[in-house]
Parts: sequence; structure tokens; C-alpha cells
Amino acid sequence: LAKTTQPISMDSYEGQEVNITCSHNNIATNDYITWYQQFPSQGPRFIIQGYKTKVTNEVASLFIPADRKSSTLSLPRVSLSDTAVYYCLVVNTGFQKLVFGTGTRLLVSP
Amino acid sequence: GAVVSQHPSWVICKSGTSVKIECRSLDFQATTMFWYRQFPKQSLMLMATSNEGSKATYEQGVEKDKFLINHASLTLSTLTVTSAHPEDSSFYICSARRGFSGANVLTFGAGSRLTVL
Repeated sequence: LAKTTQPISMDSYEGQEVNITCSHNNIATNDYITWYQQFPSQGPRFIIQGYKTKVTNEVASLFIPADRKSSTLSLPRVSLSDTAVYYCLVVNTGFQKLVFGTGTRLLVSP
Repeated sequence: GAVVSQHPSWVICKSGTSVKIECRSLDFQATTMFWYRQFPKQSLMLMATSNEGSKATYEQGVEKDKFLINHASLTLSTLTVTSAHPEDSSFYICSARRGFSGANVLTFGAGSRLTVL
């Protein structure tokens, strides 16, 4: 079971790029790294998933170094609506023990 | 695609009553669903893994007789909070696995807020 560690909170301003790093030192070969966004009183929403190197979609980029012991979610030009909690989740193909870490509470200010 | 519907979105009940929460995968079959609870300002806590056609697997510390999980079909899992008490008040969230092209992603429902008076 890969435990994840993230900063508890981060502050940013509109228009800035935000990078949130997650540590998962005991990630296994079959594990994928997935990031979710959660707004208050809503279920988490899938942002991006990757296995290695870099993945980019329309909302974010995910950077994963060669050793895969960490990953960085990059949000380009954040807006106020990006204020939310972001969770890093390590998922194996067997979908066992999907335990969430503390998440990172991002506050975007004007 | 890949929508998980959760119902009800909120419910208020009296202490001692039972409450059922439904989780449906609308456009895909989910052999496995997961139930979480979340207290204010805290992370999601995995309660149990629900497998279609078999008994759920509960996490340590979660009372299986208190939180009854039934996964009778590939698109529906239910969580019943029996004899609810105020300390059971929480935000309950279900999720289902969707897999495609080598990706393995959890899709979450919108959550159900339970308030026990």
C-alpha cells in the first residue's frame, strides 16, 4: 500500500501556475498516480492520471520522475474557481486499499 | 461518460432509524464499488469495498452490522446505516472503478450528507 504525503495547504493568486507535489516512496510497479479535485460537499473529480514521465490534458499536467517516488500536479494560470482540495492517489491495477491522504487545500486569491 | 449517481444527496433522520443510500453507475458496469465517509475538513476515509454478488470487505474499525452494504447488480450498490445515531452524521461518498485502454480511474458520486437528529 503506497502511502502518499502532500502539503496540507497552498496559497496562490489568480493567473499563477500552481505546482502541488505528492510523495509516494513505496509505489509499486503496477501502481498508477491519479489526482482528484474536491469542492466542498461534492465528490472528488478526476483530474489526471499517469504512470511515468509527463502527462498533459486540457486542465493540468502531471510530472513523474524516473523513480516514480513523487509526482507533481501542475495547474496553469489558476482562477478563483480552482480553490479546492487536491488529492493524490496511488492506484494499482487490482484497485486494492484505495486510501486517500490528507490532500492539499489550495486557496486562490484575487 | 462514466457517471456515478448517488441518491439521496442529503437526508435528515431521527436517531434510531435506518437510512439507505444508493450508488448507481449509469453508463458502465461496476464490479467493484467503494464507500467512503468524510467529516468536515477531513480527508475521505475508506469504509468498505463492495463487490457485485459477494460480501463487502470492511475496513478495520467499521462495523459491518452498522453499515450494511449490498451490491446486487453490476450497476447498483447500497449502503444502509442502521439504527443511526448523531455520531453517524457525515458525508458519504461512493465510487466505482472504470477501466479503459489501460487506465484505471475511480469515478465518484456527488455524495450524500446524512444528518441524524
